[in-house]
This record gives sequence, structure tokens and C-alpha cells, in this order.
Amino acid sequence: QVQLVESGGGLVKPGGSLRLSCAASGFTFSDYYMSWIRQAPGKGLEWVSYISSSSSYTNYADSVKGRFTISRDNAKNSLYLQMNSLRAEDTAVYYCASLSGDYYFDYWGQGTLVTVSS
Amino acid sequence: QPVLTQPPSASASLGASVTLTCTLSSGYSNYKVDWYQQRPGKGPRFVMRVGTGGIVGSKGDGIPDRFSVLGSGLNRYLTIKNIQEEDESDYHCGADHGSGSNFVWVFGGGTKLTVL
Repeated sequence: QVQLVESGGGLVKPGGSLRLSCAASGFTFSDYYMSWIRQAPGKGLEWVSYISSSSSYTNYADSVKGRFTISRDNAKNSLYLQMNSLRAEDTAVYYCASLSGDYYFDYWGQGTLVTVSS
Repeated sequence: QPVLTQPPSASASLGASVTLTCTLSSGYSNYKVDWYQQRPGKGPRFVMRVGTGGIVGSKGDGIPDRFSVLGSGLNRYLTIKNIQEEDESDYHCGADHGSGSNFVWVFGGGTKLTVL
């Protein structure tokens, strides 16, 4: 069955950096667009970024543009999110999700918590 | 891009029915909306997509027949019949917007469903 397992979250100071990873299994990872979505404590979902299957296309939410970079390694069935210049408002659980051919998020991971605090 | 609005909370008794609403902002009446269920402490899971004609495509894995959708005007509805304890969750609606490489996704604030 499809499994998405995020890792790399933790406590980081404002202005710091963190790299999240998502290990995928149970499907042909290289065929799928992938995305990161986050959820601040007690809040709703916020889309962060997406990447096409061959990494040709990426896009970012305005709130993270210029600070976050999405990437993938199809040989390792892995998705990444490099987060720089972190701010308190980036504190959230970060989920990776696969995108269906019709552009909805068909499978999600369990999330990894990122806390930005001094 | 559209704005999606959801009431923050809803409640229903065990075995009853409830309808959750997601409202699109003006000008986006032709948009499809996706419903996601998020049980406490878990990641979300896809429920189904809805347009003005009802369900679009298939339900998500393991979504029971008790879940159905309708769409009308700017509203997209998720109805749960014969509510069970395991239906107590946050329900989020979302929509994609854009074309080519410029896709973005927006979500409503979520509705917390309490089973009484």
C-alpha cells in the first residue's frame, strides 16, 4: 500500500534552516507530482509547494517563495523541502502528499513538526 | 484565486446525518472542490471531489457509502449519513487553481465535526 513517511522536523531558531524528507513506497514515485502542505497548530491546511514528476515544474506559496526549495530524487523515491530563513510563522506540521492526475492530494503522510522559536 | 469558507464546527448525534458546507468566493461557481478527512493526530485523507453535478471521479480509498456530495452555485456539500464515532474528525475542503506550471492550491479553514 502507499506509504509516505516524513522526517527531519525539529526545533530551530528564527533565521535558521532545516531540510525535510519524505520517503515514498507502494507506488511508482517517478510517475507522480508531489507536494508539501503544512498545518500550523490549531489551524487549517496551507499548501506550500509542488514539484512535477521529472522536476521540470515547481511552484510555491507566496508565504515561502524565495526561502523554501522543493526537490526530489526519483532513484531514492524521496521528496525534500529545504527551508531557509525560517520564521516563527513557519511553525507547523509539514505533510508530504502525492498529487493525482486530476490535481487533488490522493495520499498523505503522517507529518513532521517544525518549531521555529528562540 | 478562490477563497473557500467553512463553518468552524458542526455536531451530530450517533446514527444521525450531517451536511458540511464549503462555500467558494464569488466568481468561482464552476470550480470543483476536494474534501479531506483528518482524524485527531493523523494526516488528512482524500474523501472525494465535488462539482456542481455532484461527485467527480471516485471516492478515496476506504471511504464508506455513507459519505456523499452535492454541489450547487457556490456551495459544495459533504453529507455523512448514519454517523459513527470514527467520523469525528476535522473536514477540510480544497481546490486547485491555475494552469501549466502555475498551479496553486487553496483550503478552507476546516470544520471540526463532533459526534454526540
